[in-house]
Amino acid sequence: EVQLVESGGGLVQPGRSLRLSCTTVGFTFGDYAMSWFRQAPGKGLEWVGFIRNKAYGGTIEYAASVKGRFTISRDDSKNIAYLQMNRLKAEDTGVYYCSRDELISSYWGQGTLVTVSS
Amino acid sequence: EILMTQSPATLSVSPGERATLSCRASQSVAGSIAWYQQKPGQAPRLLIYSASTRATGIPARFSGSGSGTEFTLTITGLESEDFAVYYCQQYNNWPPLTFGGGTKVEIK
Repeated sequence: EVQLVESGGGLVQPGRSLRLSCTTVGFTFGDYAMSWFRQAPGKGLEWVGFIRNKAYGGTIEYAASVKGRFTISRDDSKNIAYLQMNRLKAEDTGVYYCSRDELISSYWGQGTLVTVSS
Repeated sequence: EILMTQSPATLSVSPGERATLSCRASQSVAGSIAWYQQKPGQAPRLLIYSASTRATGIPARFSGSGSGTEFTLTITGLESEDFAVYYCQQYNNWPPLTFGGGTKVEIK
């Protein structure tokens, strides 16, 4: 069974950093791209970015709102995808989801809440 | 960036009736549209991709149609578990991938 579990969320002050993890089981991690999305409280879904698998060069794409502050990476030996978030802002507050694949997300984690506040 | 607009924002429907949700793209996205369902406190669930193909395990009462800039998600014979928020997403022109603002289907 495919499962994705996000972790690492919490309360963080503006300007600080946080790293989220997406631990996966149930599929060959190295064969798939991994994506990150977020959802501000009471709002809709927003794409954050994705990282392709090595067969496709491991290339990474980001939303303009996070480019230069957030970094997506992956560890194929551990079946984990990461989202490193630097210089956090209040508007980064929300639930962060990881998903499998890059364009159409058929498997999602349950999400982890990130709150940016002083 | 392609802007996705969903209407209506809220749709009140009685159980057993049909719900018709609309999604409009600011420019053509061909057939590269997915629809997701989201219930409170849960992750989104993929319903439809390529505008009209049901994802694995999705009941036949969910159907999608459209191409270019106009798309529709139809739910026939609404069941209690179908009351949720629905999002369309385009994946034709990226980055970025973009979502509509959502349609909440509520019990009438």
